[in-house]
Amino acid sequence: EPEVTQTPSHQVTQMGQEVILRCVPISNHLYFYWYRQILGQKVEFLVSFYNNEISEKSEIFDDQFSVERPDGSNFTLKIRSTKLEDSAMYFCASSEGASWSYEQYFGPGTRLTVT
Amino acid sequence: KQEVTQIPAALSVPEGENLVLNCSFTDSAIYNLQWFRQDPGKGLTSLLLIQSSQREQTSGRLNASLDKSSGRSTLYIAASQPGDSATYLCAGSSGTYKYIFGTGTRLKVLA
Repeated sequence: EPEVTQTPSHQVTQMGQEVILRCVPISNHLYFYWYRQILGQKVEFLVSFYNNEISEKSEIFDDQFSVERPDGSNFTLKIRSTKLEDSAMYFCASSEGASWSYEQYFGPGTRLTVT
Repeated sequence: KQEVTQIPAALSVPEGENLVLNCSFTDSAIYNLQWFRQDPGKGLTSLLLIQSSQREQTSGRLNASLDKSSGRSTLYIAASQPGDSATYLCAGSSGTYKYIFGTGTRLKVLA
């Protein structure tokens, strides 16, 4: 069964460093998403991406964050200058169509630890 | 602003019990609704999806229903087992691109 994959599974970085989290969505999906979950808190939406542009973003997704689909398979989340409060599990998801009609499929997550 | 509340926040039951987890949206305009399971420190495992034209979905011992008039969903787990111990999350789309997640119910099934 097709699945969303994410790399790395765990990333440790120092405050102020740039990180790139990588995701490979399901191949025929057109909508891509990033969510995060701070330890002990609920899953929060960051951004959705369709047709090579951001379709929706949350207040969390400020200028420190960016997303890109550099080729036909990868979808990346970049954090420009990490802060301690960016430590969280980051989930990538994809869907065949818009989420009000289609299921979102989630990857296993990347645990980001900022020290 | 759409908020999702899950009740109870935590639940501990003996093995074999049937149980009901609740999910409530402040805005009843819900399209898709998904239930997930999350084991400690792990990712999200999709359990059931109720699409906008549906009211109920079943998979094995799990049954989920959605009452759109009230914005409430329930997840029914029959004959609970220790392996069902996990956090259960509901998430839905209110017609925008994002899913809004609930606060979760931590379930512990005692052997």
